[in-house]
Amino acid sequence: SQELEQSPQSLIVQEGKNLTINCTSSKTLYGLYWYKQKYGEGLIFLMMLQKGGEEKSHEKITAKLDEKKQQSSLHITASQPSHAGIYLCGADEFRTYKYIFGTGTRLKVLA
Amino acid sequence: SAVISQKPSRDICQRGTSLTIQCQVDSQVTMMFWYRQQPGQSLTLIATANQGSEATYESGFVIDKFPISRPNLTFSTLTVSNMSPEDSSIYLCSVEGGSSGYTFGSGTRLTVV
Repeated sequence: SQELEQSPQSLIVQEGKNLTINCTSSKTLYGLYWYKQKYGEGLIFLMMLQKGGEEKSHEKITAKLDEKKQQSSLHITASQPSHAGIYLCGADEFRTYKYIFGTGTRLKVLA
Repeated sequence: SAVISQKPSRDICQRGTSLTIQCQVDSQVTMMFWYRQQPGQSLTLIATANQGSEATYESGFVIDKFPISRPNLTFSTLTVSNMSPEDSSIYLCSVEGGSSGYTFGSGTRLTVV
């Protein structure tokens, strides 16, 4: 079965610092989604990547999917306390009709 | 982390009928979340279900269409009512897992014909 592993598991950064979260798949990705979950709330969709080499940005968050479509990174520029939460990558598992999710990255931003 | 048993895993339903999806958690949790993912789209939060109170629905989702029950701290159901082909989606429940973050059910793939 396909697995998604995120790194790091948790991250504490000072406000204003840049950071990167990685999501590595054990198999080729056919659609990679990034979500954010604030503590005590549901998932918020951030971005979807489908093509190798694709890069998307929204405000201060940029997500990339590598050419081989097995790894994605989420980069936050000049982090703010509002960026705090759990970041999650998710994907459709090829041919099994299952949803798989990454292990999650818990981000804290210190003011 | 919590373990969620979600069923059914998939179903094919006639339009106009209703389907109830169940999620059983192996531990007590305060909040449960229900999501929908339509083909080719991202997960969308339908509602948040707290035990002992009415579910809180997100914009675009109403209780008459997606009634939710939360009778205790380990169980919840989502009903998709008066189904149409546009309701064909994957439905997921989720709980917060405390220090481990979150857990998702395995999903229910619904096809409405």
